[in-house]
Amino acid sequence: EIVLTQSPTTMAASPGEKVTLTCLASSSVNYMYWYQQKSSASPKLLIYYTSILASGVPDRFSGSGSGTSYSLTISSMEAEDAAIYYCLQLTSTPHTFGAGTKLELK
Amino acid sequence: QIQLVQSGPELKKPGESVKISCKASGYTFTDYAMHWVKQAPGKGLKWMGWINTYTGKPTYADDFKGRFVFSLEASASTANLQISNLKNEDTATYFCARDPGAGDYWGQGVMVTVSS
Repeated sequence: EIVLTQSPTTMAASPGEKVTLTCLASSSVNYMYWYQQKSSASPKLLIYYTSILASGVPDRFSGSGSGTSYSLTISSMEAEDAAIYYCLQLTSTPHTFGAGTKLELK
Repeated sequence: QIQLVQSGPELKKPGESVKISCKASGYTFTDYAMHWVKQAPGKGLKWMGWINTYTGKPTYADDFKGRFVFSLEASASTANLQISNLKNEDTATYFCARDPGAGDYWGQGVMVTVSS
């Protein structure tokens, strides 16, 4: 099973601040997917195939990485970005999610 | 438009069974796998497995082998999750999701509460 380790676990950012979230995989994966979840709503896809922005997602979000190291960047934090962010690997079964990063507004 | 509509919340006692449905619309049901994801209260997302909606073959993550069954009513474009011999730790929201690698389509989630 590929374990995804997200860091930090929790962080706070001020409006306009650049935010970088990290996801490390225990084995190499082909692509990484990033989701945003607010309260108990259904997760929302932000990034697929590591770096492609999902439809309707603001372009302040971007993704990068390869192999075992991936990141999600918010170029300029906005209040609405306060949420929990999860990475997901679909390379191997079982598919696995990271434990999540809780991003708060400072 | 593509939609996944799940059944309503459930309150069950330990040892009972529950069946959750996920009705798809707006696309050809058998073209995409259906995945299931568990989220316990205050916890993260856990991938449970998936079902091939064309062949009906299910695949379960290790933690969900035995008491969990994925099934289909293909004629009704519906995927089901049945959990038997419910335990307190099954209390969670269960999401269906259409093939996460092919778009962003999730059900609204079903809260299952197991309590004596």
